[in-house]
Amino acid sequence: GAVVSQHPSRVICKSGTSVKIECRSLDFQATTMFWYRQFPKQSLMLMATSNEGSKATYEQGVEKDKFLINHASLTLSTLTVTSAHPEDSSFYICSARVLKGYEQYFGPGTRLTVT
Amino acid sequence: KQEVTQIPAALSVPEGENLVLNCSFTDSAIYNLQWFRQDPGKGLTSLLLIQSSQREQTSGRLNASLDKSSGRSTLYIAASQPGDSATYLCACSGSARQLTFGSGTQLTVLP
Repeated sequence: GAVVSQHPSRVICKSGTSVKIECRSLDFQATTMFWYRQFPKQSLMLMATSNEGSKATYEQGVEKDKFLINHASLTLSTLTVTSAHPEDSSFYICSARVLKGYEQYFGPGTRLTVT
Repeated sequence: KQEVTQIPAALSVPEGENLVLNCSFTDSAIYNLQWFRQDPGKGLTSLLLIQSSQREQTSGRLNASLDKSSGRSTLYIAASQPGDSATYLCACSGSARQLTFGSGTQLTVLP
């Protein structure tokens, strides 16, 4: 149980385009989902926290107009990287947490490359 | 603001050795501490979760300890195997139940 999927696993896009990444909890309802970014040989940095049905809370330094997060249902959150630039190239990982739970369950990650 | 540090950044050991990975955190007001494994280009695999009220957790050859008062946790791996080679991350969960990650220890177990 507690499986989280991400789609796509890899994406290459051109600079200036937008890319959407999906995060799904497959066998549980996730009231809260988290989006992390990981640059090569660095640790995970929390970008934003999203609660189902409400606006996401972004960490300091993360542009909310560039990284659009939608958590429209208890099993799906999406991250859209708008007007992507090469510096947005990174590994994006989502996690999901059940209501009143503490443990986060992580997706397999999405490798974004912006050319 | 919570800060999590992991030492060493990289470790190379021969197969069969027992080893200890270290994690320290600045704010002792944590709800739990979790150890993860990450293989290259992959997501995270949760290894052990220690609640703030617990001192240690064990799973197979892995044992994690937690000392909140000193802000330290260790991950002990017994009888290491080449398949244990990966990056090991520790993360603390605070009052907002968000995870703060350390920078990781890259472990290589040599056959």
